[in-house]
Amino acid sequence: AQSVSQHNHHVILSEAASLELGCNYSYGGTVNLFWYVQYPGQHLQLLLKYFSGDPLVKGIKGFEAEFIKSKFSFNLRKPSVQWSDTAEYFCAVSPISGGSYIPTFGRGTSLIVHP
Amino acid sequence: EAQVTQNPRYLITVTGKKLTVTCSQNMNHEYMSWYRQDPGLGLRQIYYSMNVEVTDKGDVPEGYKVSRKEKRNFPLILESPSPNQTSLYFCASSPRVGRNTEAFFGQGTRLTVV
Repeated sequence: AQSVSQHNHHVILSEAASLELGCNYSYGGTVNLFWYVQYPGQHLQLLLKYFSGDPLVKGIKGFEAEFIKSKFSFNLRKPSVQWSDTAEYFCAVSPISGGSYIPTFGRGTSLIVHP
Repeated sequence: EAQVTQNPRYLITVTGKKLTVTCSQNMNHEYMSWYRQDPGLGLRQIYYSMNVEVTDKGDVPEGYKVSRKEKRNFPLILESPSPNQTSLYFCASSPRVGRNTEAFFGQGTRLTVV
């Protein structure tokens, strides 16, 4: 079975600081990769996804993520965060081989951005 | 509007009183799933369904039941709720599982069992 590890549980930044949230997964086969965001009191929304092709994917609100296959990583980045980016961020992995396609989520990273 | 709808959004109940949380999607998705979200533990899958009449256990199925009699509905049943089932619950659906699919989430149900 696959697993997802998010390195940072809590991140506190000031506005305009750069952000990088780590995500590593363990699975030997091909995967779909996702980052979801959950704003306070709301449901999960898709931030960006990687299915195939260019390993650098761009999502909404200026976020991007890079898939590094050799490192089993899919780190999320944003050059300059805003107060409105305060939210919880979840990395997720969905295998597309081996007969099990069920997505697995990481434990989440809580981001607080101070104005 | 394409959406996943959960009801109720908030529920306070007493230990042992059976309850059902409903989930409905209007996107004709095959795959549906229930998660619980707890601080520091992220989302943990309770049950999932690959299609009508096909359900399977996720990582934390104890104390829960599900059914999938119709494609659009996937209710979560707690036959005898206990305080450790106090949590935030999310229903999700996707067209299918496999290549190039993503999950769509409901608004969540915050359950408190006293």
